Amino acid sequence: DTAVSQTPKYLVTQMGNDKSIKCEQNLGHDTMYWYKQDSKKFLKIMFSYNNKELIINETVPNRFSPKSPDKAHLNLHINSLELGDSAVYFCASSPTYNSPLHFGNGTRLTVT
Amino acid sequence: RKEVEQDPGPFNVPEGATVAFNCTYSNSASQSFFWYRQDCRKEPKLLMSVYSSGNEDGRFTAQLNRASQYISLLIRDSKLSDSATYLCVVWGAAGNKLTFGGGTRVLVKP
Repeated sequence: DTAVSQTPKYLVTQMGNDKSIKCEQNLGHDTMYWYKQDSKKFLKIMFSYNNKELIINETVPNRFSPKSPDKAHLNLHINSLELGDSAVYFCASSPTYNSPLHFGNGTRLTVT
Repeated sequence: RKEVEQDPGPFNVPEGATVAFNCTYSNSASQSFFWYRQDCRKEPKLLMSVYSSGNEDGRFTAQLNRASQYISLLIRDSKLSDSATYLCVVWGAAGNKLTFGGGTRVLVKP
C-alpha cells in the first residue's frame, strides 16, 4: 500500500524520558513534515524537510530533533519529555513544498 | 488576527440539508487553498483544492473570494457520514508553508 506510515501509534511515557517517533513514506514525495495537534485541535507545523534538507524549523524547543536519513524517512526524537509535549504528532509528505499533504495516522503521545 | 480563521461550530445540520461555512485568511498574497476533512481521532485527509473560479466535487462546492480574503465550502444533501471537522488550509498565509485553520465542526443528524 502506498502511504505515510508512522510508529508507534500510541506512546505513554514519564516526564524526563527520551523517545522517538518514526515516519516513512513510499509515495516518492520530496518533502516531509512533522505537525503537532494539541488538545485544542490546532495543527501546527514543527519541521519540514525537502530532499533530506531542513527547510522549515518553527519555534520548537531544541529538545525536539528531526532526522532525515533519506527522503523517504523523517524521524522525530524528543529529549527530556515534558507534560506539555502531550499531543498527537502527525507526519506528512507532499510532492513539493506547496502541494497538498498526505498524513500518517498520527502518534498519540501522553507524558505522565 | 490569526492568519487563517474558521468558525469552530458545531454546525448542527439535518440530514439532507445544505450547510456552508467560510474561512478567512489575513495575507492577501496567499497563493493556494485547500479543504481537508478530519474525523475524530484520525488524520486529516484532503477533501478538495480550491481554485480561483470555484470548483465542485459531487456534493461539495468550494469558492475563493480574493477581494474579501475568504474561501467557502458548501455541502449539499448532507449525509450522516459528512459529520467531521473541516480544516481550511492556506499556502502563503504566514510565510512559505501551509497554515491550518482551527477547523469547523459539522454534525449531521437524522
